[in-house]
Amino acid sequence: AQSVTQLGSHVSVSEGALVLLRCNYSSSVPPYLFWYVQYPNQGLQLLLKYTSAATLVKGINGFEAEFKKSETSFHLTKPSAHMSDAAEYFCAVSGAGGFKTIFGAGTRLFVKA
Amino acid sequence: GAVVSQHPSWVICKSGTSVKIECRSLDFQATTMFWYRQFPKQSLMLMATSNEGSKATYEQGVEKDKFLINHASLTLSTLTVTSAHPEDSSFYICSASPLDRADTQYFGPGTRLTVL
Repeated sequence: AQSVTQLGSHVSVSEGALVLLRCNYSSSVPPYLFWYVQYPNQGLQLLLKYTSAATLVKGINGFEAEFKKSETSFHLTKPSAHMSDAAEYFCAVSGAGGFKTIFGAGTRLFVKA
Repeated sequence: GAVVSQHPSWVICKSGTSVKIECRSLDFQATTMFWYRQFPKQSLMLMATSNEGSKATYEQGVEKDKFLINHASLTLSTLTVTSAHPEDSSFYICSASPLDRADTQYFGPGTRLTVL
């Protein structure tokens, strides 16, 4: 069985500040982990994914995430927030092969000017 | 590349009618397509997994007879909400996995269904 917990339904940062969105997972098999972004009334866009290669994964728009097996975490970070980063972010987990992806509850990121 | 489209993007229908939503992979072939439902300010809930040429696999609690899924080709899957009721109003999102990259899902833009 797999599950994802995103800590904090809302995160607010100032423009230029560090973005940190937390994700912890549970998986009975080696996991594939994903971060997606969703803008209002749109589908999901993949930011980055971990598939058992390098533990530090770099994605689009300056985001990156580090897979820490000992902590069962896959937190998303960005050094400097932009106004355009304001959106809903979802962490997700699946087994190898990518089937049946389980999504976290989502974290809404607010960026203050 | 790797674009998934959904049609329609918005649909409003009367209670008791049926609505069909199409999901197409525009520039790749997809063995597997997924259908998700998203309520306002909530996460995506997987409804069913659709494989080309075979019956869809529904998640627990999803009514097979209400949410009919057809995956007739490697580029098209359809979700039909039969006898829709206001509680079926939601955002429906599909995704598709390419034949050669089963660990990757490309998401459609979603379809907003409102049942009056």
